[in-house]
This record gives sequence, structure tokens and C-alpha cells, in this order.
Amino acid sequence: DGGITQSPKYLFRKEGQNVTLSCEQNLNHDAMYWYRQDPGQGLRLIYYSQIVNDFQKGDIAEGYSVSREKKESFPLTVTSAQKNPTAFYLCASKRGEGRRLLFNTGELFFGEGSRLTVL
Amino acid sequence: EDQVTQSPEALRLQEGESSSLNCSYTVSGLRGLFWYRQDPGKGPEFLFTLYSAGEEKEKERLKATLTKKESFLHITAPKPEDSATYLCAVHDTGGFKTIFGAGTRLFVKA
Repeated sequence: DGGITQSPKYLFRKEGQNVTLSCEQNLNHDAMYWYRQDPGQGLRLIYYSQIVNDFQKGDIAEGYSVSREKKESFPLTVTSAQKNPTAFYLCASKRGEGRRLLFNTGELFFGEGSRLTVL
Repeated sequence: EDQVTQSPEALRLQEGESSSLNCSYTVSGLRGLFWYRQDPGKGPEFLFTLYSAGEEKEKERLKATLTKKESFLHITAPKPEDSATYLCAVHDTGGFKTIFGAGTRLFVKA
């Protein structure tokens, strides 16, 4: 079955450490996204990528970094510069056609999420 | 500024008690309004896409409708398994980013 796999499901980090969250998809989707979810708030966009080797900052990119070396993979690193990293992180993908498509208006497919807690 | 506002924040219903959730949006040129269901500790699951005012879609006990400024998710005769957070989202003006509301937490008691 096609889908999105996030790992680990739970992660604990000490102050000052960088951690990397994995996101892999086998849906053959071009576009991938990272969202952060905090209690009582909507999903906020961290980074997104429309095509391999290209990505853009979302609304809350400070303290995070990403890479998109393969179509299937879009890992997110939470760096020590992120002041309040405790949250639920969601990876998503969407069908797309890279830069040739002006608007990518399909629905998002989400992974099961990764919960990061800073000790 | 593109924005999505959902109300109420939480809704408690008895089994069989029908109701509606509201999603109001502000975006320049709607390119899709989405409803998702999210269970605790899980990723959101897609329910519906609506593209133009007057459009309606149904799935089991759920029916989504769309006007020029808002969308409603009507729940008819809900069951306890309908308990979840329902998220509304729109594409931003540029079309590449999806903007989410804070969600409505629905509790259905047997």
C-alpha cells in the first residue's frame, strides 16, 4: 500500500541537540511538506518542496532545516536554534508537476506524525 | 492576508444529535477548500474538496457545503466514532501552500 512513513513516532531531545525527523513516501508525489501542530493551533507550515533539489521556507522556518535529495524523502532537522521545539510534527505530500504547474490544488496526504519533546 | 477561522473550538453532542461546524475563510481567489478529520495522535485524513460556491459533497453522515465566504460541515445523526478534530483548509493565493484553521474538536457521547 502506498503512503507516507514518518519516524520516529516519539523523540526526546536534550537542550542544545539537533535531531532529524524522517519522512518517506512511495506515492510518487512531487510535492512534500512539513507542518508543526501545537495544542489549540492550526497546522503551521515549516518548509515545503515542489521538486527534487529545491525547497522553500514556510511561515515558521527559523530553527529548522530540510533537504530533498530524492523524490521519496524529505527529512526535517530541528536545530538547537529552535527555541521551543516541543510539538507534533506532520509530514505530507501532494501530487504535483513541479514548476510547470502554476497551481498545485490537490489534497494533502499525511503521515502519522512525530512527537518531539525537549527534556 | 489569507486566513481560515473555524468555530466552535469544541462541540459536544449526544449520539443522534445533528449539528454543523463552520469554517470562514479569506483568500484572494479560492482554489480549493478542504476538510480533514484528525484522530488524537494521528495525521489528518482527507475528507472533501470543494471548489466553487454552491458545491456540496457527502460521505456517510457528513455533508460539506460551500459559499463565497464560508463552508459548513454538517453531521447528521452522529455516532461516537465520529468523535475527532475536524480541520478546514484552503490553498493560499499562490496555490502552493495550504492554510489550516485551528480545528473543531467534536465529542459525541453515546
